[in-house]
Amino acid sequence: DTAVSQTPKYLVTQMGNDKSIKCEQNLGHDTMYWYKQDSKKFLKIMFSYNNKELIINETVPNRFSPKSPDKAHLNLHINSLELGDSAVYFCASSQAPGGNTEAFFGQGTRLTVV
Amino acid sequence: GNSVTQMEGPVTLSEEAFLTINCTYTATGYPSLFWYVQYPGEGLQLLLKATKADDKGSNKGFEATYRKETTSFHLEKGSVQVSDSAVYFCALSPYGQNFVFGPGTRLSVLP
Repeated sequence: DTAVSQTPKYLVTQMGNDKSIKCEQNLGHDTMYWYKQDSKKFLKIMFSYNNKELIINETVPNRFSPKSPDKAHLNLHINSLELGDSAVYFCASSQAPGGNTEAFFGQGTRLTVV
Repeated sequence: GNSVTQMEGPVTLSEEAFLTINCTYTATGYPSLFWYVQYPGEGLQLLLKATKADDKGSNKGFEATYRKETTSFHLEKGSVQVSDSAVYFCALSPYGQNFVFGPGTRLSVLP
């Protein structure tokens, strides 16, 4: 059983389209995250949710909107996709925000905007 | 603020060589420290962690010691294998705050 699963694994789309990436965790964790990894492998936090409530929203264009229907899911919707949005997006979860609990990562979604 | 600095890569070693990847951090309070590994095409996996000063985390032959006096958490392995080729991320996690990751260090091990 995959602990943190995200779909799709690959997403190729045209500029201007709207797309969603889904994430689910079966670990019973309270906190979920979205990270963006650029071509140089640098990881940037985008959003963090704790018990379905947004606790971190870094400087991310408002074209990106996270949605957490319940504690086990955190989806990412992106409007009006741009070339610069091409990256690998990782969902992660942890038992709590910070402290000595580790984060578990999904396999990533490679988004390519053409 | 909280930040993590790692040695720049890529690091290229021959099989059975000794590995050190340096990591230093800046943090308020007493964070937990982690090393994550990312194999090609995969997500990040926890390699090891340490939750307080002088703790040593170890896994799969890798070790790192939480050094509060030098604010460091260097990753070491005595004899690397080709299968260790990956990107390694140092990270810290202050209580109640977000994880902060370093920029990653790519390791290539040649047979």
